[in-house]
Amino acid sequence: SQKIEQNSEALNIQEGKTATLTCNYTNYSPAYLQWYRQDPGRGPVFLLLIRENEKEKRKERLKVTFDTTLKQSLFHITASQPADSATYLCALPPASGGSNYKLTFGKGTLLTVNP
Amino acid sequence: DTGVSQDPRHKITKRGQNVTFRCDPISEHNRLYWYRQTLGQGPEFLTYFQNEAQLEKSRLLSDRFSAERPKGSFSTLEIQRTEQGDSAMYLCASSFGGTGKEKLFFGSGTQLSVL
Repeated sequence: SQKIEQNSEALNIQEGKTATLTCNYTNYSPAYLQWYRQDPGRGPVFLLLIRENEKEKRKERLKVTFDTTLKQSLFHITASQPADSATYLCALPPASGGSNYKLTFGKGTLLTVNP
Repeated sequence: DTGVSQDPRHKITKRGQNVTFRCDPISEHNRLYWYRQTLGQGPEFLTYFQNEAQLEKSRLLSDRFSAERPKGSFSTLEIQRTEQGDSAMYLCASSFGGTGKEKLFFGSGTQLSVL
């Protein structure tokens, strides 16, 4: 079955630096991958979607890469700010069967940006 | 568009009691999902509706769990004879059937504590 790993449970960085979060997956080739942000006590909020034929996607200070050979996505936040502190989740569609839009989530990485 | 609304935000119950949660999706969204999230984990898929039809249920959803979406609008998730292991955040999400259908919009969740 598909497996998603977000390598770091927690990441602490200094304000202004670039945060890089990793999402690895095994056992299949997803058509796309998504990243969500989750604040404590709230539901996840969609950030970016990248498709298998896209190498990189950007949105303001966010950048996502998708390496289908390495089966890995990197999520970057440049010029990080304390307000970026949150848990970041990667999510993938199912390997086969069922709703194409039923997502499987990683455990998330808790990012803390220190002032 | 007021986003996905869930009620109640918090529910404390005693083991063996029945509980019901409500989700109001974004009005034009025809797809509705229920997820469950425990501390330190990503959301786990429970069930999916397209309009009023329940199209998929996870094996996580025991016979004590039932979900409905009458008339394809709001949805309810009922847990009968609650157990301590049911303590979790129950998240509802909705999505649109057209462009951008892969993106899920989550509510703030219902935090269930079973004593």
